Amino acid sequence: SQQGEEDPQALSIQEGENATMNCSYKTSINNLQWYRQNSGRGLVHLILIRSNEREKHSGRLRVTLDTSKKSSSLLITASRAADTASYFCATDARSGNTGKLIFGQGTTLQVKP
Amino acid sequence: GAVVSQHPSRVICKSGTSVKIECRSLDFQATTMFWYRQFPKQSLMLMATSNEGSKATYEQGVEKDKFLINHASLTLSTLTVTSAHPEDSSFYICSARRTSGITDTQYFGPGTRLTVL
Repeated sequence: SQQGEEDPQALSIQEGENATMNCSYKTSINNLQWYRQNSGRGLVHLILIRSNEREKHSGRLRVTLDTSKKSSSLLITASRAADTASYFCATDARSGNTGKLIFGQGTTLQVKP
Repeated sequence: GAVVSQHPSRVICKSGTSVKIECRSLDFQATTMFWYRQFPKQSLMLMATSNEGSKATYEQGVEKDKFLINHASLTLSTLTVTSAHPEDSSFYICSARRTSGITDTQYFGPGTRLTVL
């Protein structure tokens, strides 16, 4: 399977700062989703942005999507120590209706109190 | 939101034994479930698509005879790791696909940590 790229792979910031993570993918998509994963735990769905949307907000999260560049970014504002986790983007390929999700490599975020 | 459970959450077994992992959608029916594997500090890799009432579809490089998938009902899919070896030690995560009108959402289970000694 083709996996997207995420950068940075690791990010360490102070509480209160903003964190930006980027994701690139390879195929045409129906939508792109961001997930959070705490160490050794399951995935928590954060936000979904459709291919015809350019920006979406949810609380302290802001997601952008640029389909011409096949890239997305996740911004977490006013970060908290509890935001420490790994963040993954996942794309739902447009071809076929398989429902398969292809995950990016992830960004590990550490928020220092 | 919808709930997907996995059982067991953690299993330790001896090399050569088989291990079965269950994935259940608790409050909706799922004709399609997915199985992922995640090695430490890596991303989720899709292993296979589990289809209710038919054979699973495996991703390239995944041995179907080693990772047996059964989706016998609309709320249960099982993954059996046969003749497990230490290299099969990993975090296995399932998801269940819920389709309602134009909405198509996957709900993830909490994962199963498999350790093969």
